[in-house]
Amino acid sequence: GEDVEQSLFLSVREGDSSVINCTYTDSSSTYLYWYKQEPGAGLQLLTYIFSNMDMKQDQRLTVLLNKKDKHLSLRIADTQTGDSAIYFCAETYDEGGSYIPTFGRGTSLIVHP
Amino acid sequence: GAGVSQSPSNKVTEKGKDVELRCDPISGHTALYWYRQSLGQGLEFLIYFQGNSAPDKSGLPSDRFSAERTGGSVSTLTIQRTQQEDSAVYLCASSLIGKAEAFFGQGTRLTVV
Repeated sequence: GEDVEQSLFLSVREGDSSVINCTYTDSSSTYLYWYKQEPGAGLQLLTYIFSNMDMKQDQRLTVLLNKKDKHLSLRIADTQTGDSAIYFCAETYDEGGSYIPTFGRGTSLIVHP
Repeated sequence: GAGVSQSPSNKVTEKGKDVELRCDPISGHTALYWYRQSLGQGLEFLIYFQGNSAPDKSGLPSDRFSAERTGGSVSTLTIQRTQQEDSAVYLCASSLIGKAEAFFGQGTRLTVV
């Protein structure tokens, strides 16, 4: 199976909260990330969490990490149409000072009025 | 520069031709990564550099793919005798050694006809 798994699609109504889920297999993961990719653009780092944390909040974004279940989630409060994009979960481990992200396939978030 | 720069942004080539894709990382970033994003797929890791050396070449799909980095800065990904299955967006990222945040360029969209 894949190292990082995500559901492919999520559709929400504008103003609602979105929750994007991710599972990973590598228990030695050091950091876990959420990236956003808008159409025709590269990847934008949204937020990341160190593996010894269980929650991180940044404005409308809340990241929850359940290390026991190897489950990561991204909650977007008050979702806007501008949040429509593909969201990638990624994990890294320390490889001699470098952190090589391994990505999931991405979740397409569709926000409708 | 201010961000990771990739060129060209788009490349159309005939099957069997060689192509070179260029990545200019953020100034001072010693780690550099290449990924491939095929339609409907996640990000496939190709290779990473620490300085000018590539400790991990395991992701290169075939011996038609090669990459080099000179002066600890610019990197070139070369694909020889291109095939239609090479059509994808090629993304480059860079980071500081020992730092978890990798920053991505806008990508090069390669189309092999």
